[in-house]
Amino acid sequence: GENVEQHPSTLSVQEGDSAVIKCTYSDSASNYFPWYKQELGKGPQLIIDIRSNVGEKKDQRIAVTLNKTAKHFSLHITETQPEDSAVYFCAASRGSSNTGKLIFGQGTTLQVKP
Amino acid sequence: ETGVTQSPTHLIKTRGQQVTLRCSSQSGHNTVSWYQQALGQGPQFIFQYYREEENGRGNFPPRFSGLQFPNYSSELNVNALELDDSALYLCASSLDGRSYNEQFFGPGTRLTVL
Repeated sequence: GENVEQHPSTLSVQEGDSAVIKCTYSDSASNYFPWYKQELGKGPQLIIDIRSNVGEKKDQRIAVTLNKTAKHFSLHITETQPEDSAVYFCAASRGSSNTGKLIFGQGTTLQVKP
Repeated sequence: ETGVTQSPTHLIKTRGQQVTLRCSSQSGHNTVSWYQQALGQGPQFIFQYYREEENGRGNFPPRFSGLQFPNYSSELNVNALELDDSALYLCASSLDGRSYNEQFFGPGTRLTVL
């Protein structure tokens, strides 16, 4: 069945360091991979996404890489700041379908220490 | 531009009762998806509504039902509540039902079943 595994479940870094979160998906038909940030008491907010026709995408301090052969994708945050502290979710979706069904990972709690 | 709103914010029900949760989609969006997020887990897809029709459903029993109105707002109804239904219920709106479109999440409704 469709499944997304996310690691690590918790991540603690010092301000200014980099953080990497990794996800693996099972459905080979998946071709859209968004990352969401969820702060306490709020709904998930899209921070970056990637489609299967590209291997990497950057947006300032955030980057996502995709390895379709290995069914892996990763989120990289550089120069972390305390305001990056939140729960991060990866997700996968079949872009070829007519439904926006997102399969989410279990989440990573990122703590950035000042 | 108004974002996705949900009501109520919190709700407490007892086992066996019925509940209705409401979602107003973002302006210009005709698609609403509903997700259940248990504590410490990633959101799980319940179903999606596109132009007032159900457009995909996850692994949830029939006692979870929905509705979408001509203004594209939506309701999630849950009958015969069980303790395991306690969760954060999120709705997300998107431009249309295709999965490449970004899903904008509301803040959620926290449901507690006693």
